[in-house]
Amino acid sequence: DGGITQSPKYLFRKEGQNVTLSCEQNLNHDAMYWYRQDPGQGLRLIYYSQIVNDFQKGDIAEGYSVSREKKESFPLTVTSAQKNPTAFYLCASSIYSGAFQGETQYFGPGTRLLVL
Amino acid sequence: SQQGEEDPQALSIQEGENATMNCSYKTSINNLQWYRQNSGRGLVHLILIRSNEREKHSGRLRVTLDTSKKSSSLLITASRAADTASYFCATVSSSGSARQLTFGSGTQLTVLP
Repeated sequence: DGGITQSPKYLFRKEGQNVTLSCEQNLNHDAMYWYRQDPGQGLRLIYYSQIVNDFQKGDIAEGYSVSREKKESFPLTVTSAQKNPTAFYLCASSIYSGAFQGETQYFGPGTRLLVL
Repeated sequence: SQQGEEDPQALSIQEGENATMNCSYKTSINNLQWYRQNSGRGLVHLILIRSNEREKHSGRLRVTLDTSKKSSSLLITASRAADTASYFCATVSSSGSARQLTFGSGTQLTVLP
C-alpha cells in the first residue's frame, strides 16, 4: 500500500524535553511538509522540504527542527524552546515539478502531542 | 496568516439535503483546493480548481471559483451521514517563489441521519 505513515499516534512530552515525530512516505514524492493544527483551527506550516538535504522554514518554525536525509523520511523534532507544543501534528507529501505550483498534498494520520 | 476563511464555521443538515460551504481569500491565487478531515484524522484531498477555471465537478461535489470576488464554494449534493467532517479550503498564492498551501479554519459539517 502506498501512503504516509506517522508515529507515534500519541506522544507525551515532559518539561524541557525534546521529542521527535516520525513521518515516512512510499509515494516517491519529492516534497514533504509538517503542519501544526490547534483545536478548531486550520493548519499552519512549520517546515517544508522540496528535495533531499534541503528544507525551508514555514510560518511557525520557532522551537522546531527537521532533517531530510532520505527522500522517504522527514522527522520533526519539537524542542524545549517550543513553549506551547500541545497540538495535532500532520505530515504531508506531494510531487515537486521543479516549478512549484501548489500541488495536491497527501496527508498522514497525524500525531497528537501532549505535555505532561 | 491564514488566507482562506470558510463560512459558515459550522453547518448541520439532514441526510439527503445539499450542503454549501464558502471560502474567501485575500490575494491572487494560482489554485484553490478543498480538503476533508474526519475527526482526529489526517486531511484528504477532494478537488483542486485552478485560477483559470470557474467550475469543477467530482461525483457529488461541485466547486466554483470567482476570482473577481476572491471566493469559492463547495457544494455537496444528496449528503450522507458519512459526509460528516470538517472541510477546509487551501489557497496557493500566485506571487512569491514558495507556493505553499495556506489553509482556512474550516467548516464543521454535521449530517444528521
